[in-house]
Amino acid sequence: GAGVSQTPSNKVTEKGKYVELRCDPISGHTALYWYRQSLGQGPEFLIYFQGTGAADDSGLPNDRFFAVRPEGSVSTLKIQRTERGDSAVYLCASSLIGADEQFFGPGTRLTVL
Amino acid sequence: DQQVKQNSPSLSVQEGRISILNCDYTNSMFDYFLWYKKYPAEGPTFLISISSIKDKNEDGRFTVFLNKSAKHLSLHIVPSQPGDSAVYFCAASATAGGTSYGKLTFGQGTILTVHP
Repeated sequence: GAGVSQTPSNKVTEKGKYVELRCDPISGHTALYWYRQSLGQGPEFLIYFQGTGAADDSGLPNDRFFAVRPEGSVSTLKIQRTERGDSAVYLCASSLIGADEQFFGPGTRLTVL
Repeated sequence: DQQVKQNSPSLSVQEGRISILNCDYTNSMFDYFLWYKKYPAEGPTFLISISSIKDKNEDGRFTVFLNKSAKHLSLHIVPSQPGDSAVYFCAASATAGGTSYGKLTFGQGTILTVHP
């Protein structure tokens, strides 16, 4: 079956603009995660959804970042008033509830000029 | 505060020899550990995991060792193959009642290069 997909694969925007990053999890996976990976670092946790609700959003860096998963499947990560420091690869992962293996998408590379 | 650390940014190994990648953690609440492999322009791919009730888990050429008292784990790849060349991340999670909490904390990664 299809893996986790993320769109767009690359996004270039200007400082101060609004961006949306989309994640399509593996069908049937009720848990969905967003991570951010900066150059030379490992993925850093942002937010975790169980179904439609955010079970843990402790990794969101500030209130410019927001994520939704209205129907318990596709998720959108929204970043307002982007800053150059937001430039990174944003990774999405999904898993079955209670399973420890998370399946990652290829990521969206966000560049803020 | 880096709770999971991979102190070797890179490792170079000859084909056929053993690769040993190391990882240290500081949070004693972590009780489940995973290794992921990442190729350029792809997302991390799960490789192998170990629960804190074990000290070793083996899957083919890959073995993970866990030393809880030292808060240290290692991944052994033997024999190493050129296709193993990638970035390897260790990750840790804290489970609750045996169910994964979900949030993974990753190390910085180690670039493994296996020379033919």
